[in-house]
Amino acid sequence: GNSVTQMEGPVTLSEEAFLTINCTYTATGYPSLFWYVQYPGEGLQLLLKATKADDKGSNKGFEATYRKETTSFHLEKGSVQVSDSAVYFCALVSGSARQLTFGSGTQLTVLP
Amino acid sequence: DGGITQSPKYLFRKEGQNVTLSCEQNLNHDAMYWYRQDPGQGLRLIYYSQIVNDFQKGDIAEGYSVSREKKESFPLTVTSAQKNPTAFYLCASSIQGGKNEQYFGPGTRLTVT
Repeated sequence: GNSVTQMEGPVTLSEEAFLTINCTYTATGYPSLFWYVQYPGEGLQLLLKATKADDKGSNKGFEATYRKETTSFHLEKGSVQVSDSAVYFCALVSGSARQLTFGSGTQLTVLP
Repeated sequence: DGGITQSPKYLFRKEGQNVTLSCEQNLNHDAMYWYRQDPGQGLRLIYYSQIVNDFQKGDIAEGYSVSREKKESFPLTVTSAQKNPTAFYLCASSIQGGKNEQYFGPGTRLTVT
């Protein structure tokens, strides 16, 4: 079956630091990959996506590249802000599953 | 503005009572989903529906029921058979088709005492 493994949190960084949150996956076929962000008490918002190998998704300074050879989709940002503090979820959907498979989430706290 | 609405945001019930959570979308999406989120954990799929009048069980359907009588609405009932119903419930929708992203509502936090 499909599975997503995310870097354990929580992660605490100072403002303007570089961020990496690791995500690896196991899936049948050729999945689409997503990063979602959840702010306290809210639903999930789609942050970025990639639908095929070597695609790079990007949004609001965040980037992630679909690496089929390493089955990874690591999230990066060059300079984090306090407002980036949230929980980040890596997820995938494969054509046969029709449902998202989520990682367990990584809590990010950015200190001023 | 198009989007997904869930109501209410907070819900309190006594043990043994059934409770229905509302989910409405005006995105014209065919597929809708219900997830449960527990503290510090990822999301688990309860039920999903690809089309009106049809729905399938997800990974943790026991103690829950749904209906899909209209395209825009997908209410979830948490029954008294659900052993541990206190959680954050999220509704989502997507364009029909296997690999499309899902869009989420703001969630309902249910507390059962």
